[in-house]
Amino acid sequence: DVKVTQSSRYLVKRTGEKVFLECVQDMDHENMFWYRQDPGLGLRLIYFSYDVKMKEKGDIPEGYSVSREKKERFSLILESASTNQTSMYLCASSATGGYYGYTFGSGTRLTVV
Amino acid sequence: AQKVTQAQTEISVVEKEDVTLDCVYETRDTTYYLFWYKQPPSGELVFLIRRNSFDEQNEISGRYSWNFQKSTSSFNFTITASQVVDSAVYFCALSAGNQGGKLIFGQGTELSVKP
Repeated sequence: DVKVTQSSRYLVKRTGEKVFLECVQDMDHENMFWYRQDPGLGLRLIYFSYDVKMKEKGDIPEGYSVSREKKERFSLILESASTNQTSMYLCASSATGGYYGYTFGSGTRLTVV
Repeated sequence: AQKVTQAQTEISVVEKEDVTLDCVYETRDTTYYLFWYKQPPSGELVFLIRRNSFDEQNEISGRYSWNFQKSTSSFNFTITASQVVDSAVYFCALSAGNQGGKLIFGQGTELSVKP
C-alpha cells in the first residue's frame, strides 16, 4: 500500500522554537508539496519540490523553509515558530505529469503556544 | 490563469437526501485533469476520482456520481441517499498546463449529514 507518512500527528511547540515537520513517501515520486489548511482558507501551498535539492515557493512561503536532500523525504522548517503558524500541515507527493494527482499524508496538527 | 471555485462553503442535509457539490473551473489549456478529494474528520485527503478534459462521460460509483460539462466548465459531484459517513470536507482540484503536476484546489465544501 503506497504511502505518504508525516512524522507527527500532533505537535505542540513554543513561540520562537525551530520546528521540523517531516514527510516521507515510498512511491518514488518526483514531486512533493507542503500545504497548510486553516478554517475558511482552504489549502494553501507553502513550498514544493520537483526534484532532490530543488525547491520552489508556493503562495505563502514567509516564515518557512524546506529541505529535500533525498527523493523520498521533504522537510518543512519553521525557523522561529509563531502563534499564527498554528495550523494543520499536509504533505503530498505526486509523479510528474498532471494525470496522477496527489497522494496525501495524514497531516500534522501543529499548535504554537 | 487557472482557478477552481467551490461556491458552497457548507452544506447540511439529513440522511438519505441527495446532495450535489458544485465545482467550476477556469483554464485556457485544452488538456487538463479534474479531481475530487474527500477529507473526513481524521484529516487525510482521500482521492475519489480523476477526469481528463477529453472524456466528458459521466461516472457513477455506487452512491457517488460525477457530471463533467466542458460547456459550463463544471465538474459537479452528487451523493445519492447520503449517509452520516459522507460527512467530510470535499475538495475539487485542477491540474493543467505546464504545472508539473501541481494541483489547483477549490476552497472546499464542508458536508454535514445528520441522522
